[in-house]
Amino acid sequence: QSALTQPPSASGSPGQSVTISCTGTSSDVGGYNYVSWYQHHPGQGPKLLIYEVSKRPSGVPDRFSGSKSGATASLTVSGLQAEDEADYYCNSYGGFNNFVVFGGGTKLTVL
Amino acid sequence: EVQLVESGGDLVPPGRSLRLSCTTSGFIFRYYPISWFRQAPGKGLEWVGFIRSHAYGATTEYAASLKDRFIISRDDSYGVAYLQLNSLETEDTAVYFCTRGPTATHYFDYWGQGTLVTVSS
Repeated sequence: QSALTQPPSASGSPGQSVTISCTGTSSDVGGYNYVSWYQHHPGQGPKLLIYEVSKRPSGVPDRFSGSKSGATASLTVSGLQAEDEADYYCNSYGGFNNFVVFGGGTKLTVL
Repeated sequence: EVQLVESGGDLVPPGRSLRLSCTTSGFIFRYYPISWFRQAPGKGLEWVGFIRSHAYGATTEYAASLKDRFIISRDDSYGVAYLQLNSLETEDTAVYFCTRGPTATHYFDYWGQGTLVTVSS
């Protein structure tokens, strides 16, 4: 059982927006602004999409955005494209005794 | 260009040991922590552990369920990190990834493509 809760699946049509949630506790997501999101296509290494809740690394399209409210973080993918079909994982810092807290992943399907 | 390349994955019987390597390039290796993750078939990513830079004593942290069997080390001379897998179990079958990080704000910015470890008799 993963420490952060994500929906197992999400879907949307090309051009639409989809939001994936990531629910933790006050000890991780709710306690720190250290939430990151990763995109993982099968057979490849994961790719960093969002860090520090809402920051995008260079090269990540602005269609990807992150936010947080309380102990729930969210990743929004706007203007869905076929290549966005992948697994998405959230991660949070959980304090000195819980350095890395991951979500179970969400499979995004572009219809 | 930052690159991390895992190697050493193999088919091994239960109880055996295996050492994975993470060979890096494109950045000053000795400054960065290196983490290992794994993904079992049909499952999500699971954090295995990480090793800090020597500036922080090259100390390690592990997922609680794995800390007794897995050991992470590093050789700054060659820019390589290692994951020693001991007393392997069938449940350890997975693709193992190395990644640069966690950074000071706790994310993982570059990942390798992974190496497959299969534990089976």
